[in-house]
Amino acid sequence: EDKVVQSPLSLVVHEGDTVTLNCSYEVTNFRSLLWYKQEKKAPTFLFMLTSSGIEKKSGRLSSILDKKELFSILNITATQTGDSAVYLCAVFSGTASKLTFGTGTRLQVTL
Amino acid sequence: DTGVSQDPRHKITKRGQNVTFRCDPISEHNRLYWYRQTLGQGPEFLTYFQNEAQLEKSRLLSNRFSAERPKGSFSTLEIQRTEQGDSAMYLCASSLEAGVFYGYTFGSGTRLTVV
Repeated sequence: EDKVVQSPLSLVVHEGDTVTLNCSYEVTNFRSLLWYKQEKKAPTFLFMLTSSGIEKKSGRLSSILDKKELFSILNITATQTGDSAVYLCAVFSGTASKLTFGTGTRLQVTL
Repeated sequence: DTGVSQDPRHKITKRGQNVTFRCDPISEHNRLYWYRQTLGQGPEFLTYFQNEAQLEKSRLLSNRFSAERPKGSFSTLEIQRTEQGDSAMYLCASSLEAGVFYGYTFGSGTRLTVV
């Protein structure tokens, strides 16, 4: 059965800190890995990664995939209170008809 | 609004009652998915449609659950004889057929509370 594990489960940091969120996976026939941000309601798309070693960046957020070691990290630099959310990692595998999600990392950024 | 719409946003029902949720996907998306999310967990796959055809169902989808997408546009998810364990956020998402390259767009969800 496909498995996605995220760590840490929760994290509290001060505004301005840099954080690294981890995602490891065990899936059959990996296709792509996605990161989502979930505040109160719908997960919103951040990144999709398909190739090892290529960093995706969007403002203060960046992510990279290591297909050999089966993990990805999401970095957030100069954190702001608006970054407080649950960050979900998910993987497309096999026939790629569905995503398998991790349990998420709950990030709280305090003043 | 060109996003994924779900209705209702919240539903409180008594145990044993039937409930139905609706999802309107992005109009050009031919794939539609239903996920369930309980507190502290990531979303879990329930079922998906390509146009009007239901192509995959999870083992989580007991025989009390049924989903339809009759004309390949909106979809409904019905839960019969609700149980307290059905309390969760029910998320709908849609994508183009090549969703693996573009990911999904999620709706805001329907939060179900069974009392």
